[in-house]
Amino acid sequence: DVVMTQSPLSLPVTLGQPASISCRSSQSLVHSDGNTYLNWFQQRPGQSPRRLIYKASDRDSGVPDRFSGSGSDTDFTLKISRVEAEDVGFYYCMQGTHWPWTFGQGTKVEIK
Amino acid sequence: DVQLVESGGGLIQPGGSLRLSCAASGVTVSSNYMSWVRQAPGKGLEWVSLIFRGGSTYYADSVKGRFTISRDNSKNALFLQMNDLRVEDAAVYYCVFGSGRWGQGTLVTVSS
Repeated sequence: DVVMTQSPLSLPVTLGQPASISCRSSQSLVHSDGNTYLNWFQQRPGQSPRRLIYKASDRDSGVPDRFSGSGSDTDFTLKISRVEAEDVGFYYCMQGTHWPWTFGQGTKVEIK
Repeated sequence: DVQLVESGGGLIQPGGSLRLSCAASGVTVSSNYMSWVRQAPGKGLEWVSLIFRGGSTYYADSVKGRFTISRDNSKNALFLQMNDLRVEDAAVYYCVFGSGRWGQGTLVTVSS
């Protein structure tokens, strides 16, 4: 199985400051069709996961533009340009290139 | 508006069976791949099972041979038949359309 490794696992941030989460995969996530199926999800307390980013860098409709995804092959990053109070929760990367699809361990974002 | 409403969770003894249902509206279950993803209490996310538009199915090794995913196009619904349940199957089970639309989840508790 492809192992997804996130860092850090805990991220205390100051409101208005930037934040960055790294996700590394144990294998290349480039699919045979040429796409890279790396998603980022946000899970606020008590809520279902919500997809923020798909195919590594495409932002979902309705997602604030302070969220951005980048990276390729095995190395990916989710950035929040200016953290807001509503961004508190867990963030997961997930690969959909190789079955079984797998998630990272999750990164807890909290306000300092 | 897209809605995915799961049902069928509950308390079951080890070795028992449950059938989860996901009623979809605003999307057609046969138009994209659909999945079940679970989250044990206080833990991360695990992709359990997937059914592609063409009908092919995939399972995590942890549930292979015990769980069966299916859909009913006439009812626009997704199902997960879970047999021989184990304590480690206890989780909130989410119905997912593609990877971007998630239901609110249904809780499965496995305990004697």
